[in-house]
Amino acid sequence: NAGVTQTPKFRVLKTGQSMTLLCAQDMNHEYMYWYRQDPGMGLRLIHYSVGEGTTAKGEVPDGYNVSRLKKQNFLLGLESAAPSQTSVYFCASSSGRDHSYEQYFGPGTRLTVT
Amino acid sequence: LAKTTQPISMDSYEGQEVNITCSHNNIATNDYITWYQQFPSQGPRFIIQGYKTKVTNEVASLFIPADRKSSTLSLPRVSLSDTAVYYCLVGPRILEYGNKLVFGAGTILRVKS
Repeated sequence: NAGVTQTPKFRVLKTGQSMTLLCAQDMNHEYMYWYRQDPGMGLRLIHYSVGEGTTAKGEVPDGYNVSRLKKQNFLLGLESAAPSQTSVYFCASSSGRDHSYEQYFGPGTRLTVT
Repeated sequence: LAKTTQPISMDSYEGQEVNITCSHNNIATNDYITWYQQFPSQGPRFIIQGYKTKVTNEVASLFIPADRKSSTLSLPRVSLSDTAVYYCLVGPRILEYGNKLVFGAGTILRVKS
């Protein structure tokens, strides 16, 4: 049982490049989330999903897109990377409506945009 | 959405009880209070959640007064391995479209020997 895994662990992009971050969970959780964490700050919610085929905007959605085609996967896309998107990205999942705050987090992806 | 305020940092010694308080003056009736722990280079880990009065699990207790405008995470007999950042999160237990989950800046707890 791997829990929540994220791919890749590290990535360096040039401004304007695109990339997709993959999050996978093997706990059959309904809810999945993408956060970003900047140095010395808490986590900020980018997008989330309450089930397969659904997505919703969080606190800081601009510049990102997401897809949840399969229940176990949640993809975060950057269409045209900017230096302001340099951050650590965390994916999380939770079992369902009544447990949305008991989230299980992945190890994170450290992204640098130059 | 309730905004939370926590101390930036706290120091303690091994074996002591540590209490970290979170202020959330604008908490809504259906909001719950959740605490997370984060070690460097790792994702946060759920510690405890509560709505009112007191909640206890195997690692911590959560005290919430009647007015619910603050909450206190209590860690009994801390050890060096409890050195981490602790986040207070306030929001509805059921996440619906349009909800925003907002983590505060967290409290850095440093445990010394």
